[in-house]
Amino acid sequence: DADVTQTPRNRITKTGKRIMLECSQTKGHDRMYWYRQDPGLGLRLIYYSFDVKDINKGEISDGYSVSRQAQAKFSLSLESAIPNQTALYFCATSDPRVFTFGSGTRLTVV
Amino acid sequence: AQSVTQLGSHVSVSEGALVLLRCNYSSSVPPYLFWYVQYPNQGLQLLLKYTTGATLVKGINGFEAEFKKSETSFHLTKPSAHMSDAAEYFCAVSEKAAGNKLTFGGGTRVLVKP
Repeated sequence: DADVTQTPRNRITKTGKRIMLECSQTKGHDRMYWYRQDPGLGLRLIYYSFDVKDINKGEISDGYSVSRQAQAKFSLSLESAIPNQTALYFCATSDPRVFTFGSGTRLTVV
Repeated sequence: AQSVTQLGSHVSVSEGALVLLRCNYSSSVPPYLFWYVQYPNQGLQLLLKYTTGATLVKGINGFEAEFKKSETSFHLTKPSAHMSDAAEYFCAVSEKAAGNKLTFGGGTRVLVKP
C-alpha cells in the first residue's frame, strides 16, 4: 500500500456540486497538507494541519474546507464547485520537513 | 516570507547535453531546499534536498544541485540528459519560521530531443 493514498484518482463534477477528496497516510506523521497544482503556478497550499486539533488556512483556502478525522485522515471539501477549481490536487504528510506526497486527484469541474 | 522563482517554464535540451534548471529563493533564514520531479501522470518524487553542511548535493538519477547563499540560488544540473529525464521539475523551500511548510516554484518542464 502507498504511504499516502488519495481517493478518487480522477473526478468530473458539475458546477455547484459538493465534492470531497479524501486522503489517508500510513507514515504515522502528525502533519498533513492539501496542495493544488495548476500549470505555471506550481503547487500552492490550500490547508494544513499539524495535528488532529490544529487546522490552518494556506495561501488559497477560499472555496475549500477540510476535516481532520484522525491522525491518518485529512479530507478536502469543495462546498460548491466552480470551474476554476479544476486542478490536480495533492495530499502530503511530513515529519516535519521530510514530505511524502500522494499520487494526486485530478478534478474537473464542468 | 519564503518564496521560490524558477527561471524558464520550459526547457528543451538534446539528449546527451547538459541540463540546467534555475531556482532562486527568498528566505529570511537559511532554509531547507528541495528539488522534486513529476513524470507524466504521476505524483511528486524527491530528487534531492539541501539541509545543512555540504553545499553541493547529489540526488537520484545523476542530478545534483549547489546551494549558493550569496546568490540565493539552488540550481539543478545533470551533465548528460537522457530521454527519461523528460518531466516537470519543481524547486521548493522550507523555512522553520514558516512552520516548515513547503513553498514551491512554478515548475520547469523539460523536453529532451533525440
